[in-house]
Amino acid sequence: AAGVIQSPRHLIKEKRETATLKCYPIPRHDTVYWYQQGPGQDPQFLISFYEKMQSDKGSIPDRFSAQQFSDYHSELNMSSLELGDSALYFCASSLTNEQYFGPGTRLTVT
Amino acid sequence: AQRVTQPEKLLSVFKGAPVELKCNYSYSGSPELFWYVQYSGQRLQLLLRHISRESIKGFTADLNKGETSFHLKKPFAQEEDSAMYYCALSEESQGGSEKLVFGKGTKLTVNP
Repeated sequence: AAGVIQSPRHLIKEKRETATLKCYPIPRHDTVYWYQQGPGQDPQFLISFYEKMQSDKGSIPDRFSAQQFSDYHSELNMSSLELGDSALYFCASSLTNEQYFGPGTRLTVT
Repeated sequence: AQRVTQPEKLLSVFKGAPVELKCNYSYSGSPELFWYVQYSGQRLQLLLRHISRESIKGFTADLNKGETSFHLKKPFAQEEDSAMYYCALSEESQGGSEKLVFGKGTKLTVNP
């Protein structure tokens, strides 16, 4: 069965650069969630979209923005990257309230 | 604010021994609780949700509203159960989605 796809899987950026993370949900799933998991930390909710509209916002810095497109894929845009942004970024999708997670994008900011 | 507490950061048991991973929560409404498992280097996978009352890979979890707990149990641990386990609570938003609030996780190691 198709799962949630995230790209890229690994990304290395320098401070003050920008990064774009992509998420392709499971077909027919209408909701996408973004989570950030720092080293040794639990996943923290960033933002979610339901039917291409932002539905909830968590601890997402103003430097980050996200959107969900007409084909339901989502992109997380991160600007003015800081060392503290180094983390694993998970995307999850759902149709009901069971969330299915992607493999994550590991972002390293140097 | 809703909160999920997993008091044990690390748990080590021997193969064949019973295992219980503790989870307590605080929530003002009717909670919806999940257990997620993360094997080394892999994605988070849904293990159990309290509504389904299933047993997956020999694991069970019962919601105890009186004690606000949702402990994960398995009578006989296997080496392949070694992983990170996260308890999570689903929090509904006005926008129609339900974000997950995770506990800090418990790393389970099953020794041969």
